[in-house]
Amino acid sequence: QKEVEQDPGPLSVPEGAIVSLNCTYSNSAFQYFMWYRQYSRKGPELLMYTYSSGNKEDGRFTAQVDKSSKYISLFIRDSQPSDSATYLCAMSPFDYGNNRLAFGKGNQVVVIP
Amino acid sequence: DVKVTQSSRYLVKRTGEKVFLECVQDMDHENMFWYRQDPGLGLRLIYFSYDVKMKEKGDIPEGYSVSREKKERFSLILESASTNQTSMYLCASSTGGFEKLFFGSGTQLSVL
Repeated sequence: QKEVEQDPGPLSVPEGAIVSLNCTYSNSAFQYFMWYRQYSRKGPELLMYTYSSGNKEDGRFTAQVDKSSKYISLFIRDSQPSDSATYLCAMSPFDYGNNRLAFGKGNQVVVIP
Repeated sequence: DVKVTQSSRYLVKRTGEKVFLECVQDMDHENMFWYRQDPGLGLRLIYFSYDVKMKEKGDIPEGYSVSREKKERFSLILESASTNQTSMYLCASSTGGFEKLFFGSGTQLSVL
């Protein structure tokens, strides 16, 4: 079983719709959870960063972590064409001294005007 | 604005060539990383460095080496390029701990 599972999609939605992305993981030691956004022909950039379980909201973006189910989600409200990108989840244990992140494979999202 | 700069956006090399990929960051970050990104495989860590002249192997170090002589610069070396090293190579940097990775725009390497 892969450490982090992420359905690669692609996911096409009409403008204004809610986008729902998720990742599952197997390592119960993961404590830090991140979502990166990667535009075509660019490097990933950090979008959301959460610690342990719970929700975090930033504008139109909400990140949820359910550690009991080993499941994280990213929601994008009122999606815009500019949200078209690949979204990668990433996670790390609490005391992982060499700074390694476990990445999902990425989920391509297309928002249709 | 913070910046990680990779020297080449596209690179075409022949099998057996020695290839150097350069990365420079202007954020005074301690940690620097090299990843490769392939369709269906995602991001895979090749090497990382947490200090000048220090390096550690990532998940797929075979066929690669690295050099970090200055804090701001981290080089990835393909000693003898092979076609299975055709990939997008991404450099990243971060401060110590779990702070976010800052990625460069990547180098698309084709080995013919």
